[in-house]
Amino acid sequence: KAGVTQTPRYLIKTRGQQVTLSCSPISGHRSVSWYQQTPGQGLQFLFEYFSETQRNKGNFPGRFSGRQFSNSRSEMNVSTLELGDSALYLCASSITGLAGSETQYFGPGTRLLVL
Amino acid sequence: EDQVTQSPEALRLQEGESSSLNCSYTVSGLRGLFWYRQDPGKGPEFLFTLYSAGEEKEKERLKATLTKKESFLHITAPKPEDSATYLCAVGASGANSKLTFGKGITLSVRP
Repeated sequence: KAGVTQTPRYLIKTRGQQVTLSCSPISGHRSVSWYQQTPGQGLQFLFEYFSETQRNKGNFPGRFSGRQFSNSRSEMNVSTLELGDSALYLCASSITGLAGSETQYFGPGTRLLVL
Repeated sequence: EDQVTQSPEALRLQEGESSSLNCSYTVSGLRGLFWYRQDPGKGPEFLFTLYSAGEEKEKERLKATLTKKESFLHITAPKPEDSATYLCAVGASGANSKLTFGKGITLSVRP
């Protein structure tokens, strides 16, 4: 079974621009979560989507948004990029994502550098 | 607020020198505790899920244990290929897929 895939793998943007990242979950997985990883803060939860609906959201500004399509693929968008948005953005999928007990499987991440 | 603390931040071992990595947690309604391994520039790779105090799981040289306040990842006779960052995360009741992660422990095993 193919794992979680993320595109692109690397991105360089300048301040003020916007960016869209894509994630394809494991086949049959309907829950997709996004995380931001930085050296100082570690892995932080951004949001989770299930059946095309945002089910949970972390403490990030509204510049960070996402969506999920009917085939469970998900995108996240960051508008008005800031230098501090430079990070590894990770996508994780699980079957239903319910109850906090289901294992999530991570993709390889998208490395975003904001100049 | 859920919190996860991992210690030490970094650990250097000689090949064959066994040790333990600690993960302390505070969570309202633990539903699962997860261990992941992350190599530089890659996404976290799933290792174990533990659900209740007293549970233990093993895989090759790794063994994970869980109490009501902490989890340990024991590494027996490590090899250089075990060098990586080990992440601990908790899932809480009502949080669905939101995992709260610790900062990770960077393990270096010298030959």
